[in-house]
Amino acid sequence: ETGVTQSPTHLIKTRGQQVTLRCSSQSGHNTVSWYQQALGQGPQFIFQYYREEENGRGNFPPRFSGLQFPNYSSELNVNALELDDSALYLCASSLKGGANYGYTFGSGTRLTVV
Amino acid sequence: GNSVTQMEGPVTLSEEAFLTINCTYTATGYPSLFWYVQYPGEGLQLLLKATKADDKGSNKGFEATYRKETTSFHLEKGSVQVSDSAVYFCALSDLSSGGYQKVTFGTGTKLQVIP
Repeated sequence: ETGVTQSPTHLIKTRGQQVTLRCSSQSGHNTVSWYQQALGQGPQFIFQYYREEENGRGNFPPRFSGLQFPNYSSELNVNALELDDSALYLCASSLKGGANYGYTFGSGTRLTVV
Repeated sequence: GNSVTQMEGPVTLSEEAFLTINCTYTATGYPSLFWYVQYPGEGLQLLLKATKADDKGSNKGFEATYRKETTSFHLEKGSVQVSDSAVYFCALSDLSSGGYQKVTFGTGTKLQVIP
């Protein structure tokens, strides 16, 4: 079975720009969650998608948005980038309710905003 | 809201030493509890889990017991190896007010094992 794949692995953007990060979920997993992990911190929940709809959101502003596609892959979009958006962005897949049994994480995208 | 508190690191141990990383939680419902491990430059990997009180999760020599009375889920290993050097995250999963399973992570504890 394939794991969770994220792209790109590293990215450098300028403040004010927009960025799109991509995630392919593990085979058979229909729920995708996105997390932001600042250096030296634990992952912070951004949002979760199930059946192409957002069904949960953390304390992130609307300039963080996402999509889920029919094949369960997902995108995270961030508009008007700020320096504090520099972080490791992690995608995690699960079955619906399966977060209760553990996520499968990708290796992340390291975003640097300059 | 839910929260997870872990002991601060870094924790430095000699090879074959006994490991304990403390974790306590606050939750309104009946959460599942997890330990994840993150090696340098990688994402998080599920290490072990426990879904109800008194359950013991175990994997690769690591163990943790779900203690509802003390709201704790401490990670232990009898004899650590250099290859265990990583950051360890305690986490809980609970049904949120929005009706979805929300996972809350601790801040992580860095473990360094020296030969």
